[in-house]
Amino acid sequence: ETGVTQTPRHLVMGMTNKKSLKCEQHLGHNAMYWYKQSAKKPLELMFVYNFKEQTENNSVPSRFSPECPNSSHLFLHLHTLQPEDSALYLCASSQGRQDQGGYTFGSGTRLTVV
Amino acid sequence: AQSVTQPDIHITVSEGASLELRCNYSYGATPYLFWYVQSPGQGLQLLLKYFSGDTLVQGIKGFEAEFKRSQSSFNLRKPSVHWSDAAEYFCAVGNTGGFKTIFGAGTRLFVKA
Repeated sequence: ETGVTQTPRHLVMGMTNKKSLKCEQHLGHNAMYWYKQSAKKPLELMFVYNFKEQTENNSVPSRFSPECPNSSHLFLHLHTLQPEDSALYLCASSQGRQDQGGYTFGSGTRLTVV
Repeated sequence: AQSVTQPDIHITVSEGASLELRCNYSYGATPYLFWYVQSPGQGLQLLLKYFSGDTLVQGIKGFEAEFKRSQSSFNLRKPSVHWSDAAEYFCAVGNTGGFKTIFGAGTRLFVKA
């Protein structure tokens, strides 16, 4: 299996639930990212991990908790979400210390908070 | 801080016609520039990238883009559009410090028969 794989593809959760999104990359990349894509808004960078270390937290509310156990796996733990958190959550990976190579994205998890 | 502007929210072109999608960026140094495409329900796919050298870059699916430093632009072009090109297109600027690529708001392309 190649590329960036995200599971689940769709998730509906209540505001009091706890769920996790999973991302896995088989490209040997060292950096992994979470982006949020809401309707009519640009992609928002949430978190960046480089060699398992978090290098960026873009003022994301604490109800979103990332975890990166190794360079191939990235999780986003969700709890006590709000309806405005409904969006497409995209995982991406890249190789190298700089942005020059571009990113490989997964297909995303469509999250609906009810 | 870097920023990206895509002036057109949506564009409609006829199949077989040429296409140009506009992108303007703001960045203090020579930027890393990208175009991505997103089909409905999918993630983004990298079409092409620029960070040095020839200012006209070729990408996948017959797309090309030209970097114009004087105009702070990186417009995407295709000589003949196919119905399968209907999608949303994102311009992005990368940070030479790494890991902070910023995306434009996107341009949705509609292709009419």
